[in-house]
Amino acid sequence: EPEVTQTPSHQVTQMGQEVILRCVPISNHLYFYWYRQILGQKVEFLVSFYNNEISEKSEIFDDQFSVERPDGSNFTLKIRSTKLEDSAMYFCASSGTVGVNQPQHFGDGTRLSIL
Amino acid sequence: ELKVEQNPLFLSMQEGKNYTIYCNYSTTSDRLYWYRQDPGKSLESLFVLLSNGAVKQEGRLMASLDTKARLSTLHITAAVHDLSATYFCAVDLSGSEKLVFGKGTKLTVNP
Repeated sequence: EPEVTQTPSHQVTQMGQEVILRCVPISNHLYFYWYRQILGQKVEFLVSFYNNEISEKSEIFDDQFSVERPDGSNFTLKIRSTKLEDSAMYFCASSGTVGVNQPQHFGDGTRLSIL
Repeated sequence: ELKVEQNPLFLSMQEGKNYTIYCNYSTTSDRLYWYRQDPGKSLESLFVLLSNGAVKQEGRLMASLDTKARLSTLHITAAVHDLSATYFCAVDLSGSEKLVFGKGTKLTVNP
């Protein structure tokens, strides 16, 4: 079964450094998402991306965050200047369409640790 | 603002027993999803519920949706240890692509 893949599985970064998290969505999917989950807490929406532009974003997704689809397969999340509170598990997801019987499919996540 | 509440947040049960997890949401929604998460792992889609009265079953799990009450239930029948995981419900709104998740129910099934 096709799956969403994310790299790296674990990223350790010094505070203030830039970090790029990478995702390869399911190949025929059109909608891409980033979520984060702080340890022990619920999953929170960050951003959705469709047709090469951001379609929706949350309050968490401030100017320090950006997303890009640099080629036909990768979908990246960049955090420009990381803060301690950015430490979390970051999940990429994709879906074929929005709506009928189309759950979002999640990758295994990248655990981001900011020191 | 859409809010999603699950209860209980923690559930410890014996193998062979039945139990129900509840998911309430605050605003009319078109779709409700149930996901399973094993420790350190991703979210696995279990059910997509699209209409009032929808009921879906997979093995020992059955999910239902009452849109009028803004309530979904996940019923566990004759629990087994392999069902131990955290279960999340999530809701999206018409015209929005984001999923709003509940806090999750951590289920532990004891032998």
